[in-house]
Amino acid sequence: SAVISQKPSRDICQRGTSLTIQCQVDSQVTMMFWYRQQPGQSLTLIATANQGSEATYESGFVIDKFPISRPNLTFSTLTVSNMSPEDSSIYLCSGTGQGGNIQYFGAGTRLSVL
Amino acid sequence: QQPVQSPQAVILREGEDAVINCSSSKALYSVHWYRQKHGEAPVFLMILLKGGEQKGHEKISASFNEKKQQSSLYLTASQLSYSGTYFCGIKAAGNKLTFGGGTRVLVKP
Repeated sequence: SAVISQKPSRDICQRGTSLTIQCQVDSQVTMMFWYRQQPGQSLTLIATANQGSEATYESGFVIDKFPISRPNLTFSTLTVSNMSPEDSSIYLCSGTGQGGNIQYFGAGTRLSVL
Repeated sequence: QQPVQSPQAVILREGEDAVINCSSSKALYSVHWYRQKHGEAPVFLMILLKGGEQKGHEKISASFNEKKQQSSLYLTASQLSYSGTYFCGIKAAGNKLTFGGGTRVLVKP
């Protein structure tokens, strides 16, 4: 199994600022993903982080708002830009192991925007 | 399109059984089950790749009916540690995992 570390684990930010969340995996993963989860709700896929190229975004999510980088196989960042209170949520990083089937999750970053 | 889970919540006494259902309007390649405790990461339980196949994890098992595009998770002789929110995730075409709305399970002593 893959161990996925995220930081920060939580943050409180001011409206209009940006926050970058880091995701580090302990072994090479084939694919990495970023999800958003409102408290008590399901997980919604934001984008697939592609190594060395632009991320693939889901409907309703755009690169200007959620720029993503993945410079190598074990690291990715998600930036939440120009934040508003509606961005308050839990952001989770995920990766699939070598077999490509099982997806593991980090503990998430709990973001509050004031 | 998000799979539909039922029930939304269930309360059990320790030792009782429960079934959680997950259905999709799309043809499925695989079904993935996760359990998430409050404030923690979703934890992978099992994956089902073939129709009619049953997999097991401790006293938690699951089935996958490919024709009906449904999966069921069976909690047998539930333990206090089974409490949490269970999510089914489905993969149709492509590698994206789409999650259901979740089922909250509370096991009481």
